[in-house]
Amino acid sequence: DVVMTQSPLSLPVTLGQAASISCRSSQSLVHSDGNTYLDWFQQRPGQSPRRLIYKVSNRDSGVPDRFSGSGTGTDFTLKISRVEAEDVGVYYCMQGTHWPPLTFGEGTKVEIK
Amino acid sequence: QVQLVESGGGVVQPGRSLTLSCAASGFTFSSYGLHWVRQAPGKGLQWVAVIWYDGSKKYYVDSVKGRFTISRDNSKNTLYLQMNSLRAEDTALYYCARDKGVVSPEFDYWGQGTLVTVSS
Repeated sequence: DVVMTQSPLSLPVTLGQAASISCRSSQSLVHSDGNTYLDWFQQRPGQSPRRLIYKVSNRDSGVPDRFSGSGTGTDFTLKISRVEAEDVGVYYCMQGTHWPPLTFGEGTKVEIK
Repeated sequence: QVQLVESGGGVVQPGRSLTLSCAASGFTFSSYGLHWVRQAPGKGLQWVAVIWYDGSKKYYVDSVKGRFTISRDNSKNTLYLQMNSLRAEDTALYYCARDKGVVSPEFDYWGQGTLVTVSS
């Protein structure tokens, strides 16, 4: 199974400042069809997860453009350009290239300093 | 609007069984694959199982193989998870999620979850 490793696991951020979350996979996530199936999810306190980014860098509808995804192969990053109060929550990466099983990272808790 | 509503959770003793349901509305149920994803208290997300739109394929995470069975009734717009031989480590909030993907899963809607507690 592909192991997804996130860092940091906790990320205190000042409002208006940038935040960056790393996600590394135990093997390349490039699919035989040429796509890389790496998604990012946000889970606000008390809520269900919500997908933010799909295939590394594509924002879902309604996701603010302060969220961006990047990366290739085994190393990926989610960036929040200017953190707002509503961004508090836990962020997960998930790979869908080598499945089943689908595997998630451990989660990164973003909180306001 | 798309809705997924899970039910059937509760407190159950180790070794016993429980069946979860996920009632869907607002979309053509028989056109989508569906997943169960769980989250132990204070922990991260763990994928549990998937069923194809027509029920033709089913896959499970290793830790539940042979104990859990995913199924669906397209005439009732309902997804199920039959859980047997429950263990303490199965304690979690269980979400159902809709999959709009073709090659790889794409979760576009999630339910609010139903809590399963396995305890004596």
